[in-house]
Amino acid sequence: DTAVSQTPKYLVTQMGNDKSIKCEQNLGHDTMYWYKQDSKKFLKIMFSYNNKELIINETVPNRFSPKSPDKAHLNLHINSLELGDSAVYFCASSPRQGQKETQYFGPGTRLLVL
Amino acid sequence: GEDVEQSLFLSVREGDSSVINCTYTDSSSTYLYWYKQEPGAGLQLLTYIFSNMDMKQDQRLTVLLNKKDKHLSLRIADTQTGDSAIYFCAESSNDYKLSFGAGTTVTVRA
Repeated sequence: DTAVSQTPKYLVTQMGNDKSIKCEQNLGHDTMYWYKQDSKKFLKIMFSYNNKELIINETVPNRFSPKSPDKAHLNLHINSLELGDSAVYFCASSPRQGQKETQYFGPGTRLLVL
Repeated sequence: GEDVEQSLFLSVREGDSSVINCTYTDSSSTYLYWYKQEPGAGLQLLTYIFSNMDMKQDQRLTVLLNKKDKHLSLRIADTQTGDSAIYFCAESSNDYKLSFGAGTTVTVRA
């Protein structure tokens, strides 16, 4: 009965590889997000989708490409992984787009690029 | 984040009250949140406050908001060892994004 789930939980890979992280929410929410938490615990939004449409795209390298096949899923594909991509990536969802909409977070995917 | 600031560390004795402070710069912030992150885990929403409120209480948690000074605080009464975690302040404004502070690491000592 997990609300926001992410796979994998841990991902260790070599520089230059391409990898995907998946996120699913069973809350019936319209809006989903990807956040990156760096080694200093600083959290910053990367992308947001509302009903499968991209609404927020922060300054993120083109190597990062989100994909939302339906409103319950938001996947993150990363090409040509770099050392600096090592971080914890959190998916979140909210009922709809808007200031007052509380965001619910997944458990995070810990990515380590060697 | 540069728009939301928190002190980085707080050490408190078990049974005492903890107060975590946060300041923000965006005057259009409408909702302010406190999230808790336990070691190796995701973020858990603790509580939130709407900007037209001064105070919100929820069991051991008390949130105080001074909108004029753009200052938010979270008080945890009777702090327990299970309260050891990182606490993030976040604000939500017109652009629908959550902007987070750097997190305050709370350590509860016996």
